[in-house]
Amino acid sequence: GAGVSQTPSNKVTEKGKYVELRCDPISGHTALYWYRQSLGQGPEFLIYFQGTGAADDSGLPNDRFFAVRPEGSVSTLKIQRTERGDSAVYLCASSLGAGVMNEQFFGPGTRLTVL
Amino acid sequence: AQSVAQPEDQVNVAEGNPLTVKCTYSVSGNPYLFWYVQYPNRGLQFLLKYITGDNLVKGSYGFEAEFNKSQTSFHLKKPSALVSDSALYFCAVRDTGDYGQNFVFGPGTRLSVLP
Repeated sequence: GAGVSQTPSNKVTEKGKYVELRCDPISGHTALYWYRQSLGQGPEFLIYFQGTGAADDSGLPNDRFFAVRPEGSVSTLKIQRTERGDSAVYLCASSLGAGVMNEQFFGPGTRLTVL
Repeated sequence: AQSVAQPEDQVNVAEGNPLTVKCTYSVSGNPYLFWYVQYPNRGLQFLLKYITGDNLVKGSYGFEAEFNKSQTSFHLKKPSALVSDSALYFCAVRDTGDYGQNFVFGPGTRLSVLP
């Protein structure tokens, strides 16, 4: 079956602009996660959804970042007033359930470059 | 809060030789430990996990890892390295003493297998 997909694969924007990054999880996976990976570092947690609700958004760096998952499947990460420091690869992952034993399946990521 | 250390940025090994990629962790409860591999321009791929039971865990592509509670380590191993194993490897932990669902990743170790 299809894995986690993310669009676009690359996004270049200018400082101050608004961007949306999309994630399509594996069908039937109820848990969805967003991470940010900067060059030379491991992924850093941003937000986790169980179904439609954000169960943990403690990793969002500030109020410019927001994510939604209105129907419990596709999720959109939204970044307002982008800054150069937001440049990174944004990774989405999904898992079968919210249990801590479940491995997460990752998408290929969206590389965001803020000029 | 949980944390993960991967003390080596880079590991070089000759093809056919055994390889070890090191990981140590810190948690407040019992750890759930995972290894992921990342190939260029691709998402993280799950290799193996330790939840409970046998300290030696076998995973994909001939990899295994040994959980050592006294040393708080979870080193990744393979008896005979292949050139195709060259990639970036991430250790991740979930803490049963933490209600969060996210992984905490280490900074990654780049493995180069030389022909």
